[in-house]
Amino acid sequence: AQSVTQPDIHITVSEGASLELRCNYSYGATPYLFWYVQSPGQGLQLLLKYFSGDTLVQGIKGFEAEFKRSQSSFNLRKPSVHWSDAAEYFCAVGAGYGQNFVFGPGTRLSVLP
Amino acid sequence: DTAVSQTPKYLVTQMGNDKSIKCEQNLGHDTMYWYKQDSKKFLKIMFSYNNKELIINETVPNRFSPKSPDKAHLNLHINSLELGDSAVYFCASSHSARGAPGNEQFFGPGTRLTVL
Repeated sequence: AQSVTQPDIHITVSEGASLELRCNYSYGATPYLFWYVQSPGQGLQLLLKYFSGDTLVQGIKGFEAEFKRSQSSFNLRKPSVHWSDAAEYFCAVGAGYGQNFVFGPGTRLSVLP
Repeated sequence: DTAVSQTPKYLVTQMGNDKSIKCEQNLGHDTMYWYKQDSKKFLKIMFSYNNKELIINETVPNRFSPKSPDKAHLNLHINSLELGDSAVYFCASSHSARGAPGNEQFFGPGTRLTVL
């Protein structure tokens, strides 16, 4: 069975600073990896996904993530954070048909003005 | 148009009551899910239905019963509500053809259930 860890429970950055949110997964086969964002009181919105091919994937809102098989990681990055990026970020791994997503515990991002 | 909708958005009820949460998706997806998000924001799958057939049933109390009248709807009925059932419940949907990669899931806005 797959599992996901997000080592940082809470990160605070200043507006305009760069951001990296860490995600590590455990899965025996090629994983399908996702990053979702949840704004306060809202549902989850997909930022980006990785299935195969180029290991650097671009997403919405200026986010990107890099899949590193050797490190079992799928870290999310943004070069310049905006105040509106303050939210909860979830990494998830899917294993295909009939298999549910397993979500990480989430990282809460706070942005200082 | 809302892709995945849930009703109600908020639900406050007394212990012991029975309640239902409805979910509808207009994306033409064949798989729908229910997740529970606890107070620490941890998301856990509860059920998954593909074309009205139950394919995932995690360890949840049998007081929780999903019902799928058609592949666009997956309702969650909860009997004899307990304090610990207080959480946010999310419905989601996706395409999941057998043998295909796990496609992204689209989430509803959530239903905040408070049991008093």
